[in-house]
Amino acid sequence: NAGVTQTPKFQVLKTGQSMTLQCAQDMNHNSMYWYRQDPGMGLRLIYYSASEGTTDKGEVPNGYNVSRLNKREFSLRLESAAPSQTSVYFCASRAYIAGEQETQYFGPGTRLLVL
Amino acid sequence: AQSVTQLGSHVSVSEGALVLLRCNYSSSVPPYLFWYVQYPNQGLQLLLKYTSAATLVKGINGFEAEFKKSETSFHLTKPSAHMSDAAEYFCAVSDQAGGSARQLTFGSGTQLTVLP
Repeated sequence: NAGVTQTPKFQVLKTGQSMTLQCAQDMNHNSMYWYRQDPGMGLRLIYYSASEGTTDKGEVPNGYNVSRLNKREFSLRLESAAPSQTSVYFCASRAYIAGEQETQYFGPGTRLLVL
Repeated sequence: AQSVTQLGSHVSVSEGALVLLRCNYSSSVPPYLFWYVQYPNQGLQLLLKYTSAATLVKGINGFEAEFKKSETSFHLTKPSAHMSDAAEYFCAVSDQAGGSARQLTFGSGTQLTVLP
């Protein structure tokens, strides 16, 4: 049981290049999330998927797109990277059990540097 | 709308001393509250969570937090700091509505340094 996995662990891009960050979970969770972490700002939600087949914008969605490929996988795409997107990106997943407060489980992160 | 304020972006304590990390929240509906810990170059790990069952919540590694509705606070404490507690700590809030679309709102984090 690997939990939440992310690839790659580290990436360097040039301005204008594109890339896709991959996330997968093996806990059969319904909901998945993408966050970015910047110094002094905590984690900010980029996009989330409440369930397979649905995606919604979070607090900072500009410059990103997502795909919920299936229940296990949720990818984040940068179409034209900008230096402002230099950050650490975390994927998380959560089960949904009506009436309960479920924990979000986080992946190890992807460190992205845009030059 | 929800928000979280963590007072003190950096806290230093001596080994064996009390750890107190402050968190205040704002929520228009009854909240769920969480503390997460992040060790260097790692993801976030849940320390403890408040889900309205009990106001004093015990978590892993000897940490606990008390929900105080009147003060809108959820401060994290540990009686005796250990060197291994050095990490960044995040408080987060989620409302009790939203179902499968429920989201977390994080504070800006507190970096804990433990001095020998």
